[in-house]
Amino acid sequence: QSVLTQPPSVSAAPGQKVTISCSGSSSNIGNNYVSWYQQLPGTAPKLLIYENNERPSGIPDRFSGSKSGTSATLGITGLQTGDEADYYCGTWDSSLSGYVFGTGTKVSVL
Amino acid sequence: QVQLVESGGGVVQPGRSLRLSCVASGFSFSTYAMHWVRQAPGKGLEWVALISYDGIHKYYADSVKGRFTVSRDNFKNTLYLQMDSLRAEDTAVYSCARGVLVGATTLYYWGQGTLVTVSS
Repeated sequence: QSVLTQPPSVSAAPGQKVTISCSGSSSNIGNNYVSWYQQLPGTAPKLLIYENNERPSGIPDRFSGSKSGTSATLGITGLQTGDEADYYCGTWDSSLSGYVFGTGTKVSVL
Repeated sequence: QVQLVESGGGVVQPGRSLRLSCVASGFSFSTYAMHWVRQAPGKGLEWVALISYDGIHKYYADSVKGRFTVSRDNFKNTLYLQMDSLRAEDTAVYSCARGVLVGATTLYYWGQGTLVTVSS
């Protein structure tokens, strides 16, 4: 049972924008950087966002991250069919002394 | 480029043991913390363990504490996960991931994983 809560699914038409929320607590999101991972069907997860809003090289600026208090948000603009995947937030939990992932959100392009 | 290649998975009976390996290349292995993460079939990601760059500090998920042991050999650029007293609920794809230089909030690169099936 994850300590980070995400919506099970979000969807939008091609070219539109979606946002994915990640809700936690002061022991995780509230006091640590948040990362976001993309898992395309049948593949390993890939880092999309780190330190709340930083993109690794090669990640397009259509992907953005933000954090406020004990919640974080991933935004995807200009939605493409290739963005259909599962998305997970993650961070360190200081109370658990362990890394925690969100419940995961499936993005569908209508 | 960074490569992480896991091996050692397979089918094992409940209560038995298995050791996974993760060979790293393309970066200075001895400089980075390393993680193990698993994903049960059709389920989400579950973090398993973290080991510091020097192997001194280790952290485990409650679900595996006391049964799994993470270790590393910085001379061989290899990460290990010793899994004892395996249970059916340990069935999953196990992946290793590289951390970052400072802190533990990011799993920067991931391997493709190796499948562990615990079944009689």
